[in-house]
Amino acid sequence: DVKVTQSSRYLVKRTGEKVFLECVQDMDHENMFWYRQDPGLGLRLIYFSYDVKMKEKGDIPEGYSVSREKKERFSLILESASTNQTSMYLCASSPPTAMGPTDTQYFGPGTRLTVL
Amino acid sequence: AQTVTQSQPEMSVQEAETVTLSCTYDTSESNYYLFWYKQPPSRQMILVIRQEAYKQQNATENRFSVNFQKAAKSFSLKISDSQLGDTAMYFCAFMGNNAGNMLTFGGGTRLMVKP
Repeated sequence: DVKVTQSSRYLVKRTGEKVFLECVQDMDHENMFWYRQDPGLGLRLIYFSYDVKMKEKGDIPEGYSVSREKKERFSLILESASTNQTSMYLCASSPPTAMGPTDTQYFGPGTRLTVL
Repeated sequence: AQTVTQSQPEMSVQEAETVTLSCTYDTSESNYYLFWYKQPPSRQMILVIRQEAYKQQNATENRFSVNFQKAAKSFSLKISDSQLGDTAMYFCAFMGNNAGNMLTFGGGTRLMVKP
């Protein structure tokens, strides 16, 4: 079974702090994704990566950056946390584009971040 | 850009009954994939069912089935014989024929199964 883990389930930070959210997957997937989940808005893509050291902006990249130094690890960075970044953050991974029967995204448990 | 709309923010159903969750989407692509994901309370999001747009037959997975209407751009999820464990947020998602398996999600429907 695919396992995607995230470093924290709950996190509380102060405005202006630098925040690191880490995600690790154990299935050797090329693609990794960071989403934020807000009530009524579903999941919105922040950044994704299709290879080591590669990154692409998603729909809402402002205020975030990412790092992918190793294939299995994808980090989301909030350079200066703000209260409007209080949210649930979900990481996901998937195989490369092939549209096979198992080509879907596998999700981590999520990190609920509160910025005070 | 694709959009996915779930018009029912919350629904409830009695245990053992059938419930249908609605989803509509907008795209100009002809080949794509649609998904329903389930997120139980405080648990990981998991895939429930997927549908390839080029397949006319509706996908089924045990008690879960879809009604895929390509012309109407509609993709509803039917849950038969609802169980308490079906209580969850359900998200409809679209994947175009793009690199990276990117998904566009709807806003979600919170389903409560009542005993």
